[in-house]
Amino acid sequence: SQQGEEDPQALSIQEGENATMNCSYKTSINNLQWYRQNSGRGLVHLILIRSNEREKHSGRLRVTLDTSKKSSSLLITASRAADTASYFCATEGNTGFQKLVFGTGTRLLVSP
Amino acid sequence: DVKVTQSSRYLVKRTGEKVFLECVQDMDHENMFWYRQDPGLGLRLIYFSYDVKMKEKGDIPEGYSVSREKKERFSLILESASTNQTSMYLCASSLHQGGGYTFGSGTRLTVV
Repeated sequence: SQQGEEDPQALSIQEGENATMNCSYKTSINNLQWYRQNSGRGLVHLILIRSNEREKHSGRLRVTLDTSKKSSSLLITASRAADTASYFCATEGNTGFQKLVFGTGTRLLVSP
Repeated sequence: DVKVTQSSRYLVKRTGEKVFLECVQDMDHENMFWYRQDPGLGLRLIYFSYDVKMKEKGDIPEGYSVSREKKERFSLILESASTNQTSMYLCASSLHQGGGYTFGSGTRLTVV
């Protein structure tokens, strides 16, 4: 059951630019998380935002959450070539065992 | 740091073989998960476990089974491998509900 849908599917920018990725979901959540995946590797947890939070920062990352619109955005400021990866949002529901449901991801390419 | 170790990075098996994918975590996490990742479909949950000897079906359990005899080890079993099970398999663990997941590096399985 796919919950999150990321937009855009792919994003290509130059180093130094900001990258914004969006995620929409369908049902009520406890929290929303963003993960990064380098090519062919496992996912790395970046940031978690709870349903009662609106904005969260971690280094060059800024995440917003709008529960009324069931959407979130991930902003990476001053992108670097090393930020090239796929980014996934994942939602944890608030009924039953609260497992994560992942979206299909945004592929980010940052060119030097 | 928590480490999740998957026993193989690449695996090639023949149709009809019984396949075992092993996953070990070293930080006493309660919950463990098996996902498969396919292009365009994102990550889909196969099975998860919230305690030793406990297992729950995810979204796509058909053709798979799991075993969790010890807290640190969660095995995924393909009872009779088929070509449509060719995929990247990702194991993850979490300390408790409401937190982030730690992923292994993944096993890319090819069934020929």
